[in-house]
Amino acid sequence: AQSVTQLDSHVSVSEGTPVLLRCNYSSSYSPSLFWYVQHPNKGLQLLLKYTSAATLVKGINGFEAEFKKSETSFHLTKPSAHMSDAAEYFCVVSDPGYSTLTFGKGTMLLVSP
Amino acid sequence: DGGITQSPKYLFRKEGQNVTLSCEQNLNHDAMYWYRQDPGQGLRLIYYSQIVNDFQKGDIAEGYSVSREKKESFPLTVTSAQKNPTAFYLCASSMGLNTEAFFGQGTRLTVV
Repeated sequence: AQSVTQLDSHVSVSEGTPVLLRCNYSSSYSPSLFWYVQHPNKGLQLLLKYTSAATLVKGINGFEAEFKKSETSFHLTKPSAHMSDAAEYFCVVSDPGYSTLTFGKGTMLLVSP
Repeated sequence: DGGITQSPKYLFRKEGQNVTLSCEQNLNHDAMYWYRQDPGQGLRLIYYSQIVNDFQKGDIAEGYSVSREKKESFPLTVTSAQKNPTAFYLCASSMGLNTEAFFGQGTRLTVV
């Protein structure tokens, strides 16, 4: 079965502190994994993707994620949060055995000054 | 400028009326999708299409219909049979079904 669990519905950080958004997945095959960001009333923008190459993936705006097969995790991190990072983040899995992408329910990142 | 265009951005509909949401892409992508987004529920797949003149139901297709007469266009009709149509609707496209998707800016539909 293909599924994604985002472990936190909301994460609050202060500007300048590290960000960690957690994602676990379930897949029967070797999946591709993505993180998307959505600002209010906007579409989704791709942050980064893992497609079975390097397990540490670097994305836009200083974000990165590490694919850990043994833990079935794909957590998103950033060393230092910026106010503009406040948004909703979606972890997505793509399994060759399924026709379409599966989205997590999202994590809202709140950044305080 | 390549991308996906959804129109209109905001749409109001009276109960009992059908309404059509537009989605156009100039990325030359084969696959197109419609998602519905409600607070706290993530994105739910309504319909998707892999090629022209072919489409499949997603997880919540009841009360919706689509067509794919051109590669660039994938309009969604919200019919009066949809019991709770107020939501944010997102259109996306991709090269293939399991590759990264590119999203439009969304249409917010409100039933009044």
